[in-house]
Amino acid sequence: EAGVAQSPRYKIIEKRQSVAFWCNPISGHATLYWYQQILGQGPKLLIQFQNNGVVDDSQLPKDRFSAERLKGVDSTLKIQPAKLEDSAVYLCASSLGSGGSHEQYFGPGTRLTVT
Amino acid sequence: AQSVTQPDIHITVSEGASLELRCNYSYGATPYLFWYVQSPGQGLQLLLKYFSGDTLVQGIKGFEAEFKRSQSSFNLRKPSVHWSDAAEYFCAVGAPGTASKLTFGTGTRLQVTL
Repeated sequence: EAGVAQSPRYKIIEKRQSVAFWCNPISGHATLYWYQQILGQGPKLLIQFQNNGVVDDSQLPKDRFSAERLKGVDSTLKIQPAKLEDSAVYLCASSLGSGGSHEQYFGPGTRLTVT
Repeated sequence: AQSVTQPDIHITVSEGASLELRCNYSYGATPYLFWYVQSPGQGLQLLLKYFSGDTLVQGIKGFEAEFKRSQSSFNLRKPSVHWSDAAEYFCAVGAPGTASKLTFGTGTRLQVTL
């Protein structure tokens, strides 16, 4: 079974530029998550999708971050414009469902450096 | 709001020695509890989880964890550490009844000396 795929693996941009990350979850997984992991910290949930609908985006900085999962499969996270403090690893995870005991499976992440 | 504390930022153990990583949580009820491991350049992998029942849970790679309600703790243990266990370990909690919205601790980096 293929795992969660993410691309690119690394990205370096200057502040005020825009950037997009892509995630393809495990086949059949209805729930998709984006996390931000700043160096020295644990992952923080940015947004959770159930199929193509948003379940929780309470910690997403909506003035600069956006995410979509139009067909309920793969997803894109965008930052526009980027700030220095956005430097982090962006992790995507997926699970069969959003309730009960559904385990989250994580991708390898995209490491973003903003200069 | 729920929170997770991992008091040890960095731990060094010798190969073959036993290991215990500490995790304390703050929540009004008993949450769902998880331990994840993250190797360099890798995503997080679930080691074990506790939802209810037996307070000693077994996981993959020879790890186990014990839930202690009175201490609000969920410490991770391994009797004999292997060099390949060197990684970062994260404790996480989820609201009761769901494994969705996870709150992670800041992690403990494990170094194994030969």
